[in-house]
Amino acid sequence: DADVTQTPRNRITKTGKRIMLECSQTKGHDRMYWYRQDPGLGLRLIYYSFDVKDINKGEISDGYSVSRQAQAKFSLSLESAIPNQTALYFCATSDREGQETQYFGPGTRLLVL
Amino acid sequence: AQSVSQHNHHVILSEAASLELGCNYSYGGTVNLFWYVQYPGQHLQLLLKYFSGDPLVKGIKGFEAEFIKSKFSFNLRKPSVQWSDTAEYFCAVNPDSNYQLIWGAGTKLIIKP
Repeated sequence: DADVTQTPRNRITKTGKRIMLECSQTKGHDRMYWYRQDPGLGLRLIYYSFDVKDINKGEISDGYSVSRQAQAKFSLSLESAIPNQTALYFCATSDREGQETQYFGPGTRLLVL
Repeated sequence: AQSVSQHNHHVILSEAASLELGCNYSYGGTVNLFWYVQYPGQHLQLLLKYFSGDPLVKGIKGFEAEFIKSKFSFNLRKPSVQWSDTAEYFCAVNPDSNYQLIWGAGTKLIIKP
């Protein structure tokens, strides 16, 4: 199922570098989300967007920014990467009909040295 | 604060054993409930969901879950596990049908062949 794609799939970067993770979806959903997954902590919400002009902070937005370039595209940026941002990052989508079934991308594994 | 608890972080079973993974949430209002599965190296996939109606929900691959409102629980079950069920399982709760999913920390299930 390639309805939600993420690039890159793996990334190694150094402390202080700016990086961007990209997410695209072909499901036609309005809502998009960025999560990070850390062992033993489950998924934590970074940012979410209900449409192109509606972007909101999630539980752990500090150190991150996002851009919703189009309905189908939602990018996550780390302005100045730090080692504790090493994690697995997931993009997800859901539709406006609610009930919040979310559909996930394959994830981006990020290592910050 | 709303939270979701998954009681076991790691479960090891032999093939053909019965499985029950616990999930409890702390929220007194209406909830939508989900179980997601993450197979090794793959993205999160929806296993099953409960919105209303019959509290016993059947999902893919022989999994089922029972919503017990009085116990704030949504435990996942499978009568006879297979080696291919080795994965990490996440419980998630959507309070009051709003945008946000509250995630449990996950349970890693290992099935011994």
